[in-house]
This record gives sequence, C-alpha cells and structure tokens, in this order.
Amino acid sequence: QVQLVESGGGVVQPGRSLRLSCAASGFTFGMHWVRQAPGKGLEWVAVIWNEGRNILYADSVKGRFTISRDNSKNTVYLQMNSLRVEDTAVYFCARDQGAAPFDIWGQGTMVIVSS
Amino acid sequence: EIVLTQSPGTLSLSPGERATLSCRASQSVSSSSFAWYQQKPGQAPRLLVYGASSRATDTPDRFSGGGSGTDFTLTISRLEPEDFAVYYCQQYGTSPWTFGQGTRVEIK
Repeated sequence: QVQLVESGGGVVQPGRSLRLSCAASGFTFGMHWVRQAPGKGLEWVAVIWNEGRNILYADSVKGRFTISRDNSKNTVYLQMNSLRVEDTAVYFCARDQGAAPFDIWGQGTMVIVSS
Repeated sequence: EIVLTQSPGTLSLSPGERATLSCRASQSVSSSSFAWYQQKPGQAPRLLVYGASSRATDTPDRFSGGGSGTDFTLTISRLEPEDFAVYYCQQYGTSPWTFGQGTRVEIK
C-alpha cells in the first residue's frame, strides 16, 4: 500500500513563498493537492499526472502556485508564491490512478499565512 | 464548474439509526465519476464509495451509495459509534474536481 507524507508547511507572511513536498512510498500515476481552511470543507488545488506533461490548477491559485514532480524521488511539490491570508489551510496530497477517486491521502501539512 | 450541494448540513442521530445523506450536482455527473469520503477530526479524508455505488476497500457494508445524474445519496444502514464524522461528496470526472460542503453526522 502506497503511503504519502507531506512536509514543508509553516507560518509565512503574506506575499512570501513556501514549497510543500509529498513523498510517496511507491509510484503514483497522478497526484493532487487538496486544501482545507480551518473549519471549512475540501478545495481541490492542483493535479499532476505521469511525467508532468499534464497539469491543471484551480482558478484560485493559477499563476501563483506551481505543481511539479521528481519521479526519481517519488515526490511531488507545490511551490506557493505570492501567498495570501486566504491560502491558510491544511494541504493534503492525494493519489489518483487515472480518472479515479482519491484513494490514498497524506496526513496533511498546515500552512498559515499571517502578518 | 460543477457545484455539489449536500443536505442536510448536520444530521443528529443515535447509534443504530439509519442515516441518509444527499448530494445534488449543478449539472449531470457520470456515475462512474462520483465518490463519497468520510473525515474525522484531525484526520485526512478517507474514500468510502466510488463510482457512485462501489464500496472502497475496508468500507463496511452498512455504507451504500446510489443515485445518478444530478442526485446522489449515501446511506448508513445502522450507525455505529465510529461513523459519527463529516461526509463529503465529490465529482472526479470534470476539471475542476469539486467537493460538496459536507454533512456532519453527530450523536443525538
């Protein structure tokens, strides 16, 4: 069973950057980032498939966030630039084996954007 | 974007009772691209049902999913203490992937 472990969260000021990592214990075809603001529901953020040729973003992060992957390390990254207070959330990575539900999730990493 | 609206927002029930959760989509969703997740405090969501009605690995058979088109349901036949949690519906057939706002099932 593949396991996912996120890291890189923390407290950052508005306008600054942060990079999250999601390390998988095995190969994953596709990986999503999903976030959850405190006390709120789930919001899909971005997805990367295969060798990184297919990438999609939510409108709320397009142009500010970049998803990438290093298959040699089985790791997916989320580079978050120009962070806003409303980006404060727990960020989860979740596996997608292709037109599939999110069957495996990481434990999440907290990002707090505050001055 | 496909908007998913869950009802009710909160369901107050006793252990042993039946729970019926609803999810309505703003446009038709393929049944093969519809899922339900369970989330407990401080934990990641857990996949319960996919393809609208197929139970995920380790999902007890008291959970059943149904529906098609724009209306989907998740039924818990007899609530166990560990079932009190928040449940989210999701469509994964069309980008952006979207979730409902959640239904909290609480102990009455």
